Parts: sequence; C-alpha cells; structure tokens
Amino acid sequence: EPEVTQTPSHQVTQMGQEVILRCVPISNHLYFYWYRQILGQKVEFLVSFYNNEISEKSEIFDDQFSVERPDGSNFTLKIRSTKLEDSAMYFCASSRDHGNYGYTFGSGTRLTVV
Amino acid sequence: ILNVEQSPQSLHVQEGDSTNFTCSFPSSNFYALHWYRWETAKSPEALFVMTLNGDEKKKGRISATLNTKEGYSYLYIKGSQPEDSATYLCAFSQAAGNKLTFGGGTRVLVKP
Repeated sequence: EPEVTQTPSHQVTQMGQEVILRCVPISNHLYFYWYRQILGQKVEFLVSFYNNEISEKSEIFDDQFSVERPDGSNFTLKIRSTKLEDSAMYFCASSRDHGNYGYTFGSGTRLTVV
Repeated sequence: ILNVEQSPQSLHVQEGDSTNFTCSFPSSNFYALHWYRWETAKSPEALFVMTLNGDEKKKGRISATLNTKEGYSYLYIKGSQPEDSATYLCAFSQAAGNKLTFGGGTRVLVKP
C-alpha cells in the first residue's frame, strides 16, 4: 500500500537554527498538509498546499515557516529560526481529492529544539 | 475557535469485551468527521470519513455512527483484541479540503 514518507524521523537542533523537514507524498495525490502535535496537546493544523500554492494556513504558520514542493515529489516544511516551543511531532499528510477518503499521514518527524 | 472533544481520554478493556467512545464537535458548518487509528511510532491510519447525518460505517469489528444535528460521533469496537490497542483520533472539517480540527484522542488498551 502506498505510504507517505517523512525524513528524518527525529531531529535535534539548536535554538535559532533553520530546519527542513521532508516529506514524499503519495505520487497521485494532489493535496498536501502539515500538522504538528506538541507533547500532551492535540494535533494541530499548520498549512495546506494545492496546485503549487498555499491554500490555507493557521495562525501558527507565521513568517518563520514556509513550505515548498521543489521537484514534484518532495514536500518540505522549513522553519527559519527555531524556538524551543517549536519542539513537536510534525506530520505530513496527502490526499488525492478533498479528503473525502481521508488523508494519508506519514509517521512523523520528532523535532527537538534545545 | 473550533473545539473537538473526545471522551474518555483513556480506556482499559478486557480482551473479548466490546467498548465505545465519543467525539463531540460543532454542529454548525459541518462537512465531514474523520476517525483515525494511531499506534505508537506509526502513521495515523484513516478508519472512516463520515459526512451524512445518521451515517453508520463499519470496518471489521470497528464501526462508527454520526449525529451532525447534535454534534457527536461514536466509535465502537466489538470483541476487542490486543491489536486494537491504539489511540483513536477524531477530526472535524467544515469544507472539502479544509483543515482538520482534531480531538485529543482516546487511548485504548486491550488487556489479554
């Protein structure tokens, strides 16, 4: 069964450093998403991406964050200057339609900012 | 701010017993209610996407119902098995392709 692949599975970074989280969505999917879960909190939406542009973003997704689909297969989330509070599990998801059959999630990247 | 709540937060079930738990969500501007099963260190796995009031969906021993007028959904597990141990997440959306707003999850532990 097709999978959404995320790398790395765990990343530790120093506060103020830039990180790029990578995702390979399912090849025939058109809609892409990033979510995150801070330890002990609910999974929360960050951004959705369709047709090479952001279609929706949350208030969390400020100027520190950006997304890109650089080569038609990868989907990346960049955090420019990490803060301690960015420590979380970051999930990529994709869907082939508007999510009518659910989203396929990756297994996440655990980001630890020290 | 949309609020999606799940109860209970956690649940211990004896193998072979049946169980159910709840997701409540805003009843206005409803588009879809998703259920996901999430095992530790794995990807959340889509179980159901429900859109119509009164919908009932079934996948093996797991089933779900939906009441959009009162804003709740139940997930049922019949004859629980140890492999059903996971966190079950519900998520609500207000439009096609719109963001999912998640509940806090119900963690189910099935004891042999």
